[in-house]
Amino acid sequence: AAGVIQSPRHLIKEKRETATLKCYPIPRHDTVYWYQQGPGQDPQFLISFYEKMQSDKGSIPDRFSAQQFSDYHSELNMSSLELGDSALYFCASSPRAVMNTEAFFGQGTRLTVV
Amino acid sequence: GNSVTQMEGPVTLSEEAFLTINCTYTATGYPSLFWYVQYPGEGLQLLLKATKADDKGSNKGFEATYRKETTSFHLEKGSVQVSDSAVYFCALSLPGNQFYFGTGTSLTVIP
Repeated sequence: AAGVIQSPRHLIKEKRETATLKCYPIPRHDTVYWYQQGPGQDPQFLISFYEKMQSDKGSIPDRFSAQQFSDYHSELNMSSLELGDSALYFCASSPRAVMNTEAFFGQGTRLTVV
Repeated sequence: GNSVTQMEGPVTLSEEAFLTINCTYTATGYPSLFWYVQYPGEGLQLLLKATKADDKGSNKGFEATYRKETTSFHLEKGSVQVSDSAVYFCALSLPGNQFYFGTGTSLTVIP
């Protein structure tokens, strides 16, 4: 079965650089979530999109922005990277119209800022 | 607000021991409750879920019962294996809303 695809799997950037993370949800899933997981930490909700519109906003820094495109894939853009941005970034998708469904997670993108 | 409080780890058990990981929640409304598992270097995988009070979710020998009266969703397994070593996250979701995760509990099972 198709799963949530994230790219790249690993990314190394220098401080003050920019990074773009991509997420391809499961077909027919209209909701995408982004989470940040620091070393040894629980996933922290960043932002979500439903039908290409921002749905909820969590602890996403102003330096980050995200959007969902017409094909439902989503991109997380990160600028002026800081050492503290080093983390595992997860994307998840779900079909909002299906009640009580779980979110399906991708394998994550490991970002290292040096 | 909505939140999940999870038993802190790390937890170390011998193989075949009984496992309980406590999870309690606060929610405005009627949430669905989930346990996710994260194996080293991998993403979060759904372990089990329950969508209404008194539902019992079960998978791979793990069980959790949705207790509305105590706002709890404790994870249990009667006999753990080395392959169960992972980080376990309790989570809730509300219709049309984001997921809320607990802090995660690291489990190590030793032979």
